[in-house]
Amino acid sequence: EDQVTQSPEALRLQEGESSSLNCSYTVSGLRGLFWYRQDPGKGPEFLFTLYSAGEEKEKERLKATLTKKESFLHITAPKPEDSATYLCAVPTAGYSTLTFGKGTMLLVSP
Amino acid sequence: DVKVTQSSRYLVKRTGEKVFLECVQDMDHENMFWYRQDPGLGLRLIYFSYDVKMKEKGDIPEGYSVSREKKERFSLILESASTNQTSMYLCASTSSAKYGYTFGSGTRLTVV
Repeated sequence: EDQVTQSPEALRLQEGESSSLNCSYTVSGLRGLFWYRQDPGKGPEFLFTLYSAGEEKEKERLKATLTKKESFLHITAPKPEDSATYLCAVPTAGYSTLTFGKGTMLLVSP
Repeated sequence: DVKVTQSSRYLVKRTGEKVFLECVQDMDHENMFWYRQDPGLGLRLIYFSYDVKMKEKGDIPEGYSVSREKKERFSLILESASTNQTSMYLCASTSSAKYGYTFGSGTRLTVV
């Protein structure tokens, strides 16, 4: 059974303090990995798709990387508006559904 | 932009009521999903549908049913609401999980 584990569960940063969120997975075969951002009381919004080990994607202060066993979401010089819960997910075999991690709640203080 | 619209942002219902949560998507996606999200438990799949009138149970289908009479609409039904069904409910759609999901904005349901 596919499993997705995110760490840490929560992370508090000062504005400008760079860090990384981790998403590790055990799947029968890498079929891609997705990162979502979720603001309180709202639905998740798509950030990145990574399909193969070694791939990297960037968007503003965020950079996602992928290895054969895990993905990192690097946050460079974060701002308070980056505060959100970040979710990662992998497709199940047959691409019927996504399996989600429980998320990392990020709080960036001014 | 793909849009997934959930009919209500907030709902308050009484124990024992029959509750309908509606979800509509405008991108002709075959696949639609209902999740609930609770603190510490993450997103849990309730039901999904890969075609009109087709449905599959997810991880926690007990106490729920679904209806998909038209391709664009997927309804979640709580036959007899209970307090342990108080949660955030999220609808999503996609042409294939290979491309990820598009989510609705969520419905916060409180059962009193």
